[in-house]
Amino acid sequence: QLQLQESGPGLVKPSETLSLTCTVSGDSISSSTYYWGWIRQPPGKGLDWIGSIYYSGSTYYNPSLKSRITISVDTSKNQFSLKLSSVTAADTAVYYCARHTVRAIGGGNYYLNWIDSWGQGTLVTVSS
Amino acid sequence: DFVMTQSPDSLAVSLGERATINCKSSQSVLYSPDNKNYLAWYQQKPGQPPKLLIYWASTRESGVPDRFSGSGSGTDFTLTISSLQAEDVAVYYCQQYYTTSITFGQGTRLEIK
Repeated sequence: QLQLQESGPGLVKPSETLSLTCTVSGDSISSSTYYWGWIRQPPGKGLDWIGSIYYSGSTYYNPSLKSRITISVDTSKNQFSLKLSSVTAADTAVYYCARHTVRAIGGGNYYLNWIDSWGQGTLVTVSS
Repeated sequence: DFVMTQSPDSLAVSLGERATINCKSSQSVLYSPDNKNYLAWYQQKPGQPPKLLIYWASTRESGVPDRFSGSGSGTDFTLTISSLQAEDVAVYYCQQYYTTSITFGQGTRLEIK
């Protein structure tokens, strides 16, 4: 059974970098049929996709966050990670890691489809 | 940008009655070559992550009760719960995956009247 577990600091100071890791169990992150992504949800608000990564390192990022985010993958540990730089209070949210299904578009490339599995989420608060 | 707009923002329905949630996309999510609508629906209960209900606008995920159904095409979509149960109290989100920058609707809160 697939499980995704977010980990990282629950409190980050303004202007610093938020770092989270998602550990995947029950499936190999090197599976060719999935991307692995991050979605966040500010308290009491809706869902905001951050970005997603393939095991090869290919990424898709939300254009509104692209300048501040880096998503990486470590297949040896079956983990993927998020770094969000220059955080402000507006980045306070529950951060979810998740698994996307994908569709092939040729040339060994894929587009994202729906999200079929989610972690439980971790609250990150940006405050001094 | 694909903007997804749901209506209403909140909804109260009596147990056993039908609940209808709408989702409108700013651009069509129908891909003509395969005639599929690139739209999914999720349910999020308090304190839990979202759960996939429907993809391709109308295909139920395995294990989802058949009282949940999705319909629509192009820019206008509907999630229908045919007979509301107490456990269906949740926030519901639509999501487009037509573009590489996926986007969600703002959510619709469903309560019991």
